[in-house]
Amino acid sequence: AQSVAQPEDQVNVAEGNPLTVKCTYSVSGNPYLFWYVQYPNRGLQFLLKYITGDNLVKGSYGFEAEFNKSQTSFHLKKPSALVSDSALYFCAVRRNNNDMRFGAGTRLTVKP
Amino acid sequence: KAGVTQTPRYLIKTRGQQVTLSCSPISGHRSVSWYQQTPGQGLQFLFEYFSETQRNKGNFPGRFSGRQFSNSRSEMNVSTLELGDSALYLCASSLRLAGRSTDTQYFGPGTRLTVL
Repeated sequence: AQSVAQPEDQVNVAEGNPLTVKCTYSVSGNPYLFWYVQYPNRGLQFLLKYITGDNLVKGSYGFEAEFNKSQTSFHLKKPSALVSDSALYFCAVRRNNNDMRFGAGTRLTVKP
Repeated sequence: KAGVTQTPRYLIKTRGQQVTLSCSPISGHRSVSWYQQTPGQGLQFLFEYFSETQRNKGNFPGRFSGRQFSNSRSEMNVSTLELGDSALYLCASSLRLAGRSTDTQYFGPGTRLTVL
């Protein structure tokens, strides 16, 4: 079975500070990991993914994520948060031809 | 390139009715997946269609069904609607070249279904 956990329902940061949204996964074999963002009344927008290769993945809007196999984590990071980054963030895992499993989501609030 | 489109965007139905939702994938994409999003259960996978065949199925009752047409457009149907079916239904498409599961899924804006 494959699953992801997002241990924080809510993350609050001040504008200009670095942000981290945490994700841990559980899957046998090599995981394919994804991050998506959802703004109110919108679908999910793709940010980045890890398939293989470099552990640090760079994505859209200045976001990056670090794959850590020993800690089974794939945390999303950004060096300097913007108010416009406030949204709901989802981590997801997929292995081979199985379905994509999403975490419960983390609501990020960036305060001016 | 146009993104994933879903119609209708909003729908209000009453218990016992049935509903059909439509999804047009990004041009060239062969796979369409459907998800249900609710505040309590989060994002749950319904099913995936690829080359007109259901490839994966989530843990939903048989009232939920889908199909995919030769142009990759997909529809999902929910029969005998229940109050608990109220949700945002999201469709996502991906290339799935040679059945690759590493291809990114791109999501549509969703259909907000309210069951009264």
